Amino acid sequence: AQSVTQLDSQVPVFEEAPVELRCNYSSSVSVYLFWYVQYPNQGLQLLLKYLSGSTLVKGINGFEAEFNKSQTSFHLRKPSVHISDTAEYFCAVSPRQGAQKLVFGQGTRLTINP
Amino acid sequence: EPEVTQTPSHQVTQMGQEVILRCVPISNHLYFYWYRQILGQKVEFLVSFYNNEISEKSEIFDDQFSVERPDGSNFTLKIRSTKLEDSAMYFCASRVAGYNSPLHFGNGTRLTVT
Repeated sequence: AQSVTQLDSQVPVFEEAPVELRCNYSSSVSVYLFWYVQYPNQGLQLLLKYLSGSTLVKGINGFEAEFNKSQTSFHLRKPSVHISDTAEYFCAVSPRQGAQKLVFGQGTRLTINP
Repeated sequence: EPEVTQTPSHQVTQMGQEVILRCVPISNHLYFYWYRQILGQKVEFLVSFYNNEISEKSEIFDDQFSVERPDGSNFTLKIRSTKLEDSAMYFCASRVAGYNSPLHFGNGTRLTVT
């Protein structure tokens, strides 16, 4: 079984400041790792994913995440945020075999203040 | 860009009534999913569907739930006799073949059971 913990339920940040959203996971099998973003009144949109290879993954909208196997973490970062980044961010894992059943964290609400 | 579309966006129903949530996955996708998010809780996997049959389901997906792909385009979730605790946002998702292909989510249907 897998589980995902997002350590911060809410993160307020000033515009143009850097941000890191934390994600830790546990799994007895190898997993793929994902970050999804949910803008108000919209569905979940894939930001980035880690499948294999380089542990630093770049995604859309200037976000990146680093997979750390020893710490079982997959933290999301952006060096300079914009008002438009205000959204809910979800970390998720999926076993490498099977039906790609995503297991989500509880989400982090990122609020960008001017 | 093609999208997963869900209708209705909001459904209100009385306890004990049957409800059908509708989804139109992206046309060349082969794997279909339903997830739900109870207010304030994690996004949870309900069921995955491939080749006209359920490939995996969660403990939540009991006998009150069923899925169907009645034609070449629609994918439905039926709740036979709704309970108050079925109130949630229900997300449909689909993807192409391949273990690392990402899920594309719809905007969700908010189900309110009164």
